[in-house]
Amino acid sequence: ETGVTQTPRHLVMGMTNKKSLKCEQHLGHNAMYWYKQSAKKPLELMFVYSLEERVENNSVPSRFSPECPNSSHLFLHLHTLQPEDSALYLCASSQDRGLAGDSSTDTQYFGPGTRLTVL
Amino acid sequence: TQLLEQSPQFLSIQEGENLTVYCNSSSVFSSLQWYRQEPGEGPVLLVTVVTGGEVKKLKRLTFQFGDARKDSSLHITAAQPGDTGLYLCAGPPTYNNDMRFGAGTRLTVKP
Repeated sequence: ETGVTQTPRHLVMGMTNKKSLKCEQHLGHNAMYWYKQSAKKPLELMFVYSLEERVENNSVPSRFSPECPNSSHLFLHLHTLQPEDSALYLCASSQDRGLAGDSSTDTQYFGPGTRLTVL
Repeated sequence: TQLLEQSPQFLSIQEGENLTVYCNSSSVFSSLQWYRQEPGEGPVLLVTVVTGGEVKKLKRLTFQFGDARKDSSLHITAAQPGDTGLYLCAGPPTYNNDMRFGAGTRLTVKP
């Protein structure tokens, strides 16, 4: 148990559906992240929130829309996805945004992921 | 090219064998983390190394941070099927301290 939970664990959706992924962290952290992990590819950072403000968006298509209502919750809203968006979506959190080079605050803790399949 | 290069990409061994996987960079890192990820799950933090030359042991796993803080290795003694998984290294390079991940080494330990 890493203290980061994600729901649902598995999601199958059509290209016209709208769905949301949820992440909750119980660690008292200030920063949260969304990553995409596709087969045989490294982790791709999608969004970063620090103190509930988006601080980084790595050129992610607008069909992915994040929301961070408070420091414990992070959502990823999905609409009109494409089959190539099928992947494992991972949420992570860290004590702080991690630009101080301090491993005690930079280290990221991951949730179990949501396996998304877009038909 | 990845800032953190992990090798080998794939490794398949028999139970009881020893192995070493590597994480290399041309950049200096403030620290390096090692994670293990099992299929369908998120990465789980194994260890953080901070000081150049540092060695940390976690049961049969030995982690070393290079003297120049540009590389790290993970050695597993007497591997077991439960060690199977994707091993990821990650860390913040000192030039911007933004966390970066390697592509991972996928280890399979056969009984």
